[in-house]
Amino acid sequence: AQRVTQPEKLLSVFKGAPVELKCNYSYSGSPELFWYVQYSRQRLQLLLRHISRESIKGFTADLNKGETSFHLKKPFAQEEDSAMYYCALSGLGTTNKLIFGTGTLLAVQP
Amino acid sequence: ETGVTQSPTHLIKTRGQQVTLRCSSQSGHNTVSWYQQALGQGPQFIFQYYREEENGRGNFPPRFSGLQFPNYSSELNVNALELDDSALYLCASSPDRGHNNEQFFGPGTRLTVL
Repeated sequence: AQRVTQPEKLLSVFKGAPVELKCNYSYSGSPELFWYVQYSRQRLQLLLRHISRESIKGFTADLNKGETSFHLKKPFAQEEDSAMYYCALSGLGTTNKLIFGTGTLLAVQP
Repeated sequence: ETGVTQSPTHLIKTRGQQVTLRCSSQSGHNTVSWYQQALGQGPQFIFQYYREEENGRGNFPPRFSGLQFPNYSSELNVNALELDDSALYLCASSPDRGHNNEQFFGPGTRLTVL
């Protein structure tokens, strides 16, 4: 079965602390993994994707095929990072449909 | 460049009624996907349209149907509304349908079924 699991509904950290948002997936094949973010009163937007191997707004995510994980990390959280984060996967092929996790709300305290 | 737009923003219907939601894709995009996001859940894929043809469907009953028009805008129709259909409906467009095409999301339509 194709599934994305985000075990934490809420992650609260203090400004300057490290952040790790967990994501595990189940997929029969080689998926493409994404992190989407939704800031307050804004639409859902792509944060990063594993194939680009970029660091966006200080966030990185490494695909670990052995552990089927794609955790999102940032060494020093900022208050403006507070948002809802969704991990998602897409299969390779002629559709880019996304399978989302349930999301983690990141709250960065001052 | 205009982003993805959806209408209406909110609507309220009663059980058994029918509803049509609309989505205008971003300029230059030929693929539209629809998602249902229930409260506290991540978006769930309903179906995708590519160049006016359905290109994949999620685990939703046939009373969820759609259309894509020659200008690549799209409609989502839901018949015989049920209370559980209450959700945020998201539309996303992309330049093409392949896995390497980023999806750009609209602001959503909030549907409440009473």
